[in-house]
Amino acid sequence: GAVVSQHPSWVICKSGTSVKIECRSLDFQATTMFWYRQFPKQSLMLMATSNEGSKATYEQGVEKDKFLINHASLTLSTLTVTSAHPEDSSFYICSASRDRGTYGYTFGSGTRLTVV
Amino acid sequence: DQQVKQNSPSLSVQEGRISILNCDYTNSMFDYFLWYKKYPAEGPTFLISISSIKDKNEDGRFTVFLNKSAKHLSLHIVPSQPGDSAVYFCAASDNTDKLIFGTGTRLQVFP
Repeated sequence: GAVVSQHPSWVICKSGTSVKIECRSLDFQATTMFWYRQFPKQSLMLMATSNEGSKATYEQGVEKDKFLINHASLTLSTLTVTSAHPEDSSFYICSASRDRGTYGYTFGSGTRLTVV
Repeated sequence: DQQVKQNSPSLSVQEGRISILNCDYTNSMFDYFLWYKKYPAEGPTFLISISSIKDKNEDGRFTVFLNKSAKHLSLHIVPSQPGDSAVYFCAASDNTDKLIFGTGTRLQVFP
């Protein structure tokens, strides 16, 4: 199988603070993980590709200094929303691919971030 | 630039009938396509996929058709059940493994 665990499932934080979201592959090694964001009633938008041992690759329009991604091991990627603002409130989901032709893509359960 | 589009934001189907969800893409480098079902505040649930070397893949009530020349794919659900009511996303990837999602279609199956 291919299981991805995401934590926390929800978080409320004050404006100006930072929030870290963790994404772990439980039964396989993921050299690459992906981070998505979904606003209400909209699609899942790819934010960045997290690469183990190297810098993340960000999609156009995503502020890399605001959304810090660290992929320090083959089973853990973290997304830190720095100096959060209410407009950062969204649903964040991570994903990992383990041989996409065989196992496809596995998604975490998502994190609901609310910035107040 | 929306590379994957689902032009129907919603679809309503009677229980027992066929549901057909459509998806169009623009990037000819996409070689792997997937369909996901999603509920609010949850991660997507994988339904079925198809490689670009095929034009049809079937799994139980779900069948995906791929028309590469038209850059179009569709998901058929038959028979539709009330439990199928959700938002459906098509997604596509190329050899970079990045998965790009469509805009979503809300399916409602009524008794």
